[in-house]
Amino acid sequence: GEDVEQSLFLSVREGDSSVINCTYTDSSSTYLYWYKQEPGAGLQLLTYIFSNMDMKQDQRLTVLLNKKDKHLSLRIADTQTGDSAIYFCAESIMYSGGGADGLTFGKGTHLIIQP
Amino acid sequence: DTAVSQTPKYLVTQMGNDKSIKCEQNLGHDTMYWYKQDSKKFLKIMFSYNNKELIINETVPNRFSPKSPDKAHLNLHINSLELGDSAVYFCASTHSRQGADTQYFGPGTRLTVL
Repeated sequence: GEDVEQSLFLSVREGDSSVINCTYTDSSSTYLYWYKQEPGAGLQLLTYIFSNMDMKQDQRLTVLLNKKDKHLSLRIADTQTGDSAIYFCAESIMYSGGGADGLTFGKGTHLIIQP
Repeated sequence: DTAVSQTPKYLVTQMGNDKSIKCEQNLGHDTMYWYKQDSKKFLKIMFSYNNKELIINETVPNRFSPKSPDKAHLNLHINSLELGDSAVYFCASTHSRQGADTQYFGPGTRLTVL
């Protein structure tokens, strides 16, 4: 079965880097995603990585993928108060019948920014 | 122009009622989904539809029935609402069926059952 694990809380000081970690179990996952949810808002796709990549960088965001350990991380450089949100790791699910893929989400990491 | 829209944004109703939540996407996507986010913020997939066919049904009670009048719409109908149905329901859509494109989410519908 599919399972995605994340720590529930991370507290960092403004200006420091935040590293949010995620582990997943489905080795057939093709895509892994990071979504951001601000209070009272919907889900915003931050970035995604193909399973054949090790790293992807997009401005302040760096995604690292360790396929051997099934470990995914999101690094946010120079964390700002606007980064305060819940960050969800997700993997795509491939169904044996060739059906559409849905996403399995982790429980989300609440990123708390301290001044 | 909202890519994925849901109505209503808030829905408060009594136990036992029947209600519907509507979802529309203007992205030309061919697959749409419903997710449920509970009070602890945990997100789980409920359904997906591709070309008017139900592809996934994740052990959701049969009181929940997705209805897709066309490719751009996937509505969620809930019969005999229960307290435990209180949650935020997110609609999403994507372009291709298998493993490729990212999913775009609607803003969510907060359902409160009293």
